[in-house]
Amino acid sequence: GQQVMQIPQYQHVQEGEDFTTYCNSSTTLSNIQWYKQRPGGHPVFLIQLVKSGEVKKQKRLTFQFGEAKKNSSLHITATQTTDVGTYFCADNTGTASKLTFGTGTRLQVTL
Amino acid sequence: DAMVIQNPRYQVTQFGKPVTLSCSQTLNHNVMYWYQQKSSQAPKLLFHYYDKDFNNEADTPDNFQSRRPNTSFCFLDIRSPGLGDAAMYLCATSRDWEGSETQYFGPGTRLLVL
Repeated sequence: GQQVMQIPQYQHVQEGEDFTTYCNSSTTLSNIQWYKQRPGGHPVFLIQLVKSGEVKKQKRLTFQFGEAKKNSSLHITATQTTDVGTYFCADNTGTASKLTFGTGTRLQVTL
Repeated sequence: DAMVIQNPRYQVTQFGKPVTLSCSQTLNHNVMYWYQQKSSQAPKLLFHYYDKDFNNEADTPDNFQSRRPNTSFCFLDIRSPGLGDAAMYLCATSRDWEGSETQYFGPGTRLLVL
């Protein structure tokens, strides 16, 4: 079956450093969504990417969809302690609105 | 504010004792989902309702059932909880069953099985 892997599993950075998580699928994606889950919280939708090579920005966050639509990345510039949490990519391909979540990357930011 | 509400936030049950988790939404969304999330893992879809149509994931154990008596409410019933069912249970909604819909998650119910 389809697998959506993320690397790294865990990243610890100092505040102000950049951070990137990569999402890789074994199959071609129709579109991909990104969610953030704070410790003890629930997933919160960040963005959706649909087009091959698409790049979207939200303040310090930059999201990219690969040309072959089999991978995606989230880059955070100058991390802050409020960025702490687990970032999940989620595949929205296949049956309608079913989501297959990636394995997640847990980000820890210290002062 | 429109939202997805889950009660209770924490639930303790005994091994083998049936338990029901509840979810309600004020978004008037057609689709409601139940996910299971174990520690340090990604959410795993158990089943979803599109309106009143129930759709079970192939690998969801028979021990898990769901009811959706109306648009606003959805329940997760665990008939005979085992220790392995201890997890966070997340309810989510989406406006429709078209592709590319955003899902809105409730705060979750953390289930502990003793």
